[in-house]
Amino acid sequence: AQSVTQPDIHITVSEGASLELRCNYSYGATPYLFWYVQSPGQGLQLLLKYFSGDTLVQGIKGFEAEFKRSQSSFNLRKPSVHWSDAAEYFCAVAPNFGNEKLTFGTGTRLTIIP
Amino acid sequence: SAVISQKPSRDICQRGTSLTIQCQVDSQVTMMFWYRQQPGQSLTLIATANQGSEATYESGFVIDKFPISRPNLTFSTLTVSNMSPEDSSIYLCSVEFWDTQYFGPGTRLTVL
Repeated sequence: AQSVTQPDIHITVSEGASLELRCNYSYGATPYLFWYVQSPGQGLQLLLKYFSGDTLVQGIKGFEAEFKRSQSSFNLRKPSVHWSDAAEYFCAVAPNFGNEKLTFGTGTRLTIIP
Repeated sequence: SAVISQKPSRDICQRGTSLTIQCQVDSQVTMMFWYRQQPGQSLTLIATANQGSEATYESGFVIDKFPISRPNLTFSTLTVSNMSPEDSSIYLCSVEFWDTQYFGPGTRLTVL
């Protein structure tokens, strides 16, 4: 079975600074990988996804993520954060034959300071 | 993607009662999913609901406690039965489009 680890429970970043959120997965092959964001009191919004091909994927709101097979990682990055990026971020993995079992990491809470 | 709505958005209920949560999507979809997010926790899959078949429940979740209906390709309900304070959570439905799940806004349930 697949699993996801987000080692950082809480990250604080200054507005305008760069951001990297870590995600490591465990799966026997290359899985489908996702990043979702959950703003306070909201549902989950898909930021980006990786299925195959180019290992650097671009998402919405200026986010990108890089798939590194050798490190079993799919870290999320943003060059300059905005106060509105404060939210909970979830990495998720699914088998590469379909999306029936989406497994989530424990999430990383992002706080932005002025 | 799809536009997904849930009703109610939040509710406060007494223990021992039941609540039915509705999930409506603006397109026909084969697979719908129900998740639970306990306070400060990640998401846990409750069950998968395909139209025309019985829902498939994950380990730790049973139909008597979380009955699910899926009458057509755009609608599903989840009932939380005989509630206890431990059922206080956010309940989210999601749908699958092209191997990607899209989520509704969630239902925040508080059980007193």
